[in-house]
Amino acid sequence: QKEVEQNSGPLSVPEGAIASLNCTYSDRVSQSFFWYRQYSGKSPELIMSIYSNGDKEDGRFTAQLNKASQYVSLLIRDSQPSDSATYLCAVNIEKDSSYKLIFGSGTRLLVRP
Amino acid sequence: GAGVSQSPSNKVTEKGKDVELRCDPISGHTALYWYRQRLGQGLEFLIYFQGNSAPDKSGLPSDRFSAERTGESVSTLTIQRTQQEDSAVYLCASSLSARRANIQYFGAGTRLSVL
Repeated sequence: QKEVEQNSGPLSVPEGAIASLNCTYSDRVSQSFFWYRQYSGKSPELIMSIYSNGDKEDGRFTAQLNKASQYVSLLIRDSQPSDSATYLCAVNIEKDSSYKLIFGSGTRLLVRP
Repeated sequence: GAGVSQSPSNKVTEKGKDVELRCDPISGHTALYWYRQRLGQGLEFLIYFQGNSAPDKSGLPSDRFSAERTGESVSTLTIQRTQQEDSAVYLCASSLSARRANIQYFGAGTRLSVL
């Protein structure tokens, strides 16, 4: 089992719709979770971070975390064509005083005008 | 500096040659990370530094890969005797420290092509 799993997509939604991106992780003790957006040919940029169970909202973005189910999601409301990108889920892994981020393979989102 | 800086942005090399990739982190960031991203794939962790020491080298694919960091600043990733499967984008990131909640900021990457 991969440490962080995402559906590769593409997820296609019409402009104005809600896009829902999902991620599961295997390490029960993970405490920090991040969503990065990566446009084609560009480096990842942070969209959201979440550390506690529940929802965290920032503008059109909402991150949801459920540690019991080892599940984190990203909702994008009122999707725009400019949101078309690959969304990477990242989970903090701590082992023997080593802290590192493990990334999923990403979900490609296409927002149709 | 204002952001994470990587050089060169592109590198084309012949199979068997050695290459050196450079990363200059955000000023004041003590943690520095190297990742590899193959075409259409996610980010693969290679190694990270806290200060000048590397607590975790577990992601280095083989002994042809090595990295160092000096002065808690610039890091270099060296690939010896490059192979075609080494072709990828190599991304560097830095954060305030290697703590669970600290955000990593990425450079633009070095695109390595091994012919």
